[in-house]
Amino acid sequence: GAGVSQSPRYKVAKRGQDVALRCDPISGHVSLFWYQQALGQGPEFLTYFQNEAQLDKSGLPSDRFFAERPEGSVSTLKIQRTQQEDSAVYLCASSFKGGLAGGENEQFFGPGTRLTVL
Amino acid sequence: AQTVTQSQPEMSVQEAETVTLSCTYDTSESDYYLFWYKQPPSRQMILVIRQEAYKQQNATENRFSVNFQKAAKSFSLKISDSQLGDAAMYFCAYRSPRGSTLGRLYFGRGTQLTVWP
Repeated sequence: GAGVSQSPRYKVAKRGQDVALRCDPISGHVSLFWYQQALGQGPEFLTYFQNEAQLDKSGLPSDRFFAERPEGSVSTLKIQRTQQEDSAVYLCASSFKGGLAGGENEQFFGPGTRLTVL
Repeated sequence: AQTVTQSQPEMSVQEAETVTLSCTYDTSESDYYLFWYKQPPSRQMILVIRQEAYKQQNATENRFSVNFQKAAKSFSLKISDSQLGDAAMYFCAYRSPRGSTLGRLYFGRGTQLTVWP
C-alpha cells in the first residue's frame, strides 16, 4: 500500500480488557510515532521508534501502555486493563529518516483507530 | 515543553472567500519547524503547509499561505478562494529538529473550519 495503515479502524472494549492496535508504516520508513487524540483535542505524543529501537516513550500515560516494533516495520500498541479514560483515537505516523536528521521530514499519518472503552 | 495555542475553536467562511486561522506557540529554541495539518472526518491527518523557522519567506502552497512572525511566535494560515472540500479540523503543530524530542510533533487543540456554499 502507498500509505500508513492501521487496524482495526474501530475497537470497542469492556473496561479491564486488553487491546492491541496495529500500525503498518510506509515501506522503508525509519521513524514511527504513536499519538493519542482525545475527543475535541489535538494529538498528543505517546512514543517513538527508530527502526526497532524505542527511543522515546515519555508520552505513554501509564505502565498499562506498551508499544513494540520488533522487526523495524509493523508496530503494535498494547493497552492492558483498559480504562474509560483510554477512549480516544490512536494515530500512527511514519517518516523516512530517523534520529536527529529526521526532524525536518514529513510525518505521514494513518487513519487512526478509534478505541471506545465501556 | 513547547506549547501550541489555537484560540479559535471554530471558524466559518463563504465559498470563494478568504479565511485566516490563528496559531501561537511558545519555545526557547531558535530553529524549529511549524506545520498546518488538515483532519477531515475520515481522521486522516494531511499536511497542508510547512515553514522552517530559519526561512524569512512565508511558505505558500497554491491557495494556502502562512504569515510567520518569528518574534511574535505567531503562525497563521490563510486559505484563499475557499472550497467546500476545505471544510475540516485544522491543527497547527510544532517540531524541534534536534535534541531529545527526536521529531515529535506538538499540536494545538485545533480549529474547526466550516465552508458555506
